[in-house]
Amino acid sequence: GAVVSQHPSWVICKSGTSVKIECRSLDFQATTMFWYRQFPKQSLMLMATSNEGSKATYEQGVEKDKFLINHASLTLSTLTVTSAHPEDSSFYICSARNTRTSSKETQYFGPGTRLLVL
Amino acid sequence: AQKITQTQPGMFVQEKEAVTLDCTYDTSDQSYGLFWYKQPSSGEMIFLIYQGSYDEQNATEGRYSLNFQKARKSANLVISASQLGDSAMYFCAMRVRGAQKLVFGQGTRLTINP
Repeated sequence: GAVVSQHPSWVICKSGTSVKIECRSLDFQATTMFWYRQFPKQSLMLMATSNEGSKATYEQGVEKDKFLINHASLTLSTLTVTSAHPEDSSFYICSARNTRTSSKETQYFGPGTRLLVL
Repeated sequence: AQKITQTQPGMFVQEKEAVTLDCTYDTSDQSYGLFWYKQPSSGEMIFLIYQGSYDEQNATEGRYSLNFQKARKSANLVISASQLGDSAMYFCAMRVRGAQKLVFGQGTRLTINP
């Protein structure tokens, strides 16, 4: 299957700092990328959907000023957690899909980033 | 609105036995896709199998098969000859035609005992 990478795989930061997480599709063009958040023993919660070259669409209740998403190219999307606080500690997973390829229904996921804010 | 329901929070199965993970869905759309993902303790979401709503045959991928019963709106995952490495969380998901996002179920934690 297609490969999606995420960097870093884990990060520990102080409260008030900003953290940037990168998501890359390595062997296909990701016209659409998704960012999810997952708390322990829970399902994935979609935060936002981004299409290459346009602004991200945020889910209800997700602060767009706090979680900045940039999808500048067909292979890279970034999530920046601004002024992180302990309650932002979570597992963040990105996902990518090539919506221009009708035969590709599958959405591929990155390995995730564990964020711990002290 | 779409909804996925996985009613089994946890399943315990002996190695080499077959296991069925339940998934029911709710949608008014006629065209949709159903997915199963495996999430081991490392956290990575691994795509297992896909079934389109208009596919006449049940999808199969190696030891994985999807028991698709459209009238009952169920899409159960069947794992044959389970292995210790199958221990993980399993998520059922759906996306309707024209939509971008996947809707996930609550997940089922599968534990394979030796």
